[in-house]
Amino acid sequence: GIQVEQSPPDLILQEGANSTLRCNFSDSVNNLQWFHQNPWGQLINLFYIPSGTKQNGRLSATTVATERYSLLYISSSQTTDSGVYFCAVGDSGNTPLVFGKGTRLSVIA
Amino acid sequence: EAGVVQSPRYKIIEKKQPVAFWCNPISGHNTLYWYLQNLGQGPELLIRYENEEAVDDSQLPKDRFSAERLKGVDSTLKIQPAELGDSAVYLCASSLVGPPNNEQFFGPGTRLTVL
Repeated sequence: GIQVEQSPPDLILQEGANSTLRCNFSDSVNNLQWFHQNPWGQLINLFYIPSGTKQNGRLSATTVATERYSLLYISSSQTTDSGVYFCAVGDSGNTPLVFGKGTRLSVIA
Repeated sequence: EAGVVQSPRYKIIEKKQPVAFWCNPISGHNTLYWYLQNLGQGPELLIRYENEEAVDDSQLPKDRFSAERLKGVDSTLKIQPAELGDSAVYLCASSLVGPPNNEQFFGPGTRLTVL
């Protein structure tokens, strides 16, 4: 099955700093999603981005499907950005998502 | 529009007891998923339904786990009997087959503790 690797596993930032999270996947996909899991465990949808670039406020994401990676950019980080960021992929239709192990982000004031 | 609803949010039981989790997907979503999330890991699929049919249950431990999705809407996941290793978060997700895309949306999860 598809393998998903996320880096870095842990990241500590000062408030206001920028960061880039990476997701590598082992095969072609037609679903790629980025999630933020908040301290209460809720998975919040950030982006649905099997290809291309999207932006939403301070967050943006780029997926280069031909090279099998996706990047999540967080600019001007805030303490509320803390949590675990997951990349998840699916290879066709409504197949289940395969998740990476996540990047744990801590933003300190 | 309401999101995916799950209950209960938390459950503490003794080992060997039964437990059940309930999920109501987003209205109109015909595909429903149950995922298991262990501490420090990403979610992993237990079972996927398309309408009322279980189309992918290869990861469901069928000796103790069962699931149903009557009428193709809400779903129940049951464990009987529970074991210590079942302590985890059980997540339900739903998606729509077809346009605009197959984005999955997750409920808040049920955190199970088996003592």
